[in-house]
Amino acid sequence: GQQLNQSPQSMFIQEGEDVSMNCTSSSIFNTWLWYKQDPGEGPVLLIALYKAGELTSNGRLTAQFGITRKDSFLNISASIPSDVGIYFCAGQPYPNYGQNFVFGPGTRLSVLP
Amino acid sequence: DSGVTQTPKHLITATGQRVTLRCSPRSGDLSVYWYQQSLDQGLQFLIQYYNGEERAKGNILERFSAQQFPDLHSELNLSSLELGDSALYFCASSVASRAGETQYFGPGTRLLVL
Repeated sequence: GQQLNQSPQSMFIQEGEDVSMNCTSSSIFNTWLWYKQDPGEGPVLLIALYKAGELTSNGRLTAQFGITRKDSFLNISASIPSDVGIYFCAGQPYPNYGQNFVFGPGTRLSVLP
Repeated sequence: DSGVTQTPKHLITATGQRVTLRCSPRSGDLSVYWYQQSLDQGLQFLIQYYNGEERAKGNILERFSAQQFPDLHSELNLSSLELGDSALYFCASSVASRAGETQYFGPGTRLLVL
């Protein structure tokens, strides 16, 4: 079945730095969702993308739906300590009828003060 | 707050026992998904219901079953529990629009099998 790869697996950054992470697949996806999960909590939806090339922002977060429809990117600007957590991407494969969301393994972000 | 509720928040039980996890979707959402997340692992899709009917099955064990009731709440039943079933269990509900579908997760139930 479809699989999603996320990179990097983990990253350590200084507070105030910008962060970039991505999610890739070998097949085409219709929808990309980005979530943040704190330890022991449920994933919280950050951004949803539905069209190739779409660029959407949510505060300091910006995500893009890759034009090949096989990848998506998430950027966080001016990181702060509360950005710490695991960031998951999820995609809905094309064609999406009856297809469920596929989740990436996550990128673990640590922010150093 | 995503609007998806799950109970109980924590559950501790013994091997061989049976438990039921409950989920209420966001108001108006017809789809409910169940996921399992083991320690430091990604989300594993178990099963999806849409308006009371099973729509898709993922990596769900035969010892596990689920249903969605007319009021759209869902229950996940786990039986003959084993140590390896200890995990976080999440429910998500989804809304479909002309743009696409979006999933919202509940806070999860942490199951510990001793």
